[in-house]
Amino acid sequence: QVQLQQWGAGLLKPSETLSLTCAVYGGSFTNYYLSWVRQPPGKGLEWIGEINRAESINYNPSLKSRVTMSVDTSNNQFSLKLNSVTAADTAVYYCASRRGLGLYYFDYWGQGTLVAVSS
Amino acid sequence: QSALTQPASVSGSPGQPITISCTGTSNDVGSHNLVSWYQQHPGKAPKLIIYEVSKRPSGVSDRFSGSKSGNTASLTISGLQAEDEADYYCCSYAGTNTLIFGGGTKLTVL
Repeated sequence: QVQLQQWGAGLLKPSETLSLTCAVYGGSFTNYYLSWVRQPPGKGLEWIGEINRAESINYNPSLKSRVTMSVDTSNNQFSLKLNSVTAADTAVYYCASRRGLGLYYFDYWGQGTLVAVSS
Repeated sequence: QSALTQPASVSGSPGQPITISCTGTSNDVGSHNLVSWYQQHPGKAPKLIIYEVSKRPSGVSDRFSGSKSGNTASLTISGLQAEDEADYYCCSYAGTNTLIFGGGTKLTVL
C-alpha cells in the first residue's frame, strides 16, 4: 500500500517562495510519477506538474515559469517550489501519484497542505 | 489550457441516477481514452473512482460508471445514496505530457 505524506510552510508573504515536500512510502517507488495539484479555497483542482525518479519533469504551461520540482531518490521524497507567490497562490496543495507511462490517473494522494499567502 | 467544463451543480433523490458531464476539446478528452474521475468530500483529498473513461478501481462501488462520446465524458451514479454527496472532478490527458482537470461539480442528494 502506497502512502504519501506531505509537509511544508503554511503561511507566506507575497513574493516569497513556496516550498513543499512529499514522501512516498510503500509500493514500487521507481515506477511512479509524482504530481502536485492545488485547490484554491472553494474552487477546483489545478494540475501544477509532475516529476519521476529519473527527474523527467512536466509542467502546467501556465505555471512553468515559477515552478521547480526535484526528487531525493535516497529518501523517496519529492519537492515543489513556487516562487514569487501572490494571494492567488493561496490553496490546498496536494501531492498525488500515478503509476507510470501511459497511466494518466492519480491513485494515491497526500493529505494536503494549506498554504496561505498574506502580507 | 482551459479547464474542462463541468456543470457547477447537480442534484438527485436517493435511489435515482444522475449523470455529470465533462466537456473538453479534440486535444484532450476527444483524443485520448484517458479520462479519470475523482470524488472529494469536504476537507478530504480527492479519491479516484473511474480511470481510463470507464474502468473502476478495486473497492469502488459498481454504482459508479463512466463513458465518453466525442469531446464529452460522463460519470453516472446509479442508485444515489446519501454518502455520494460530494464534489466530483474529471481529469484528462491533454497531450505533451500534461493533464487538465474539470472545474468540478457539486452533487447534492436531496
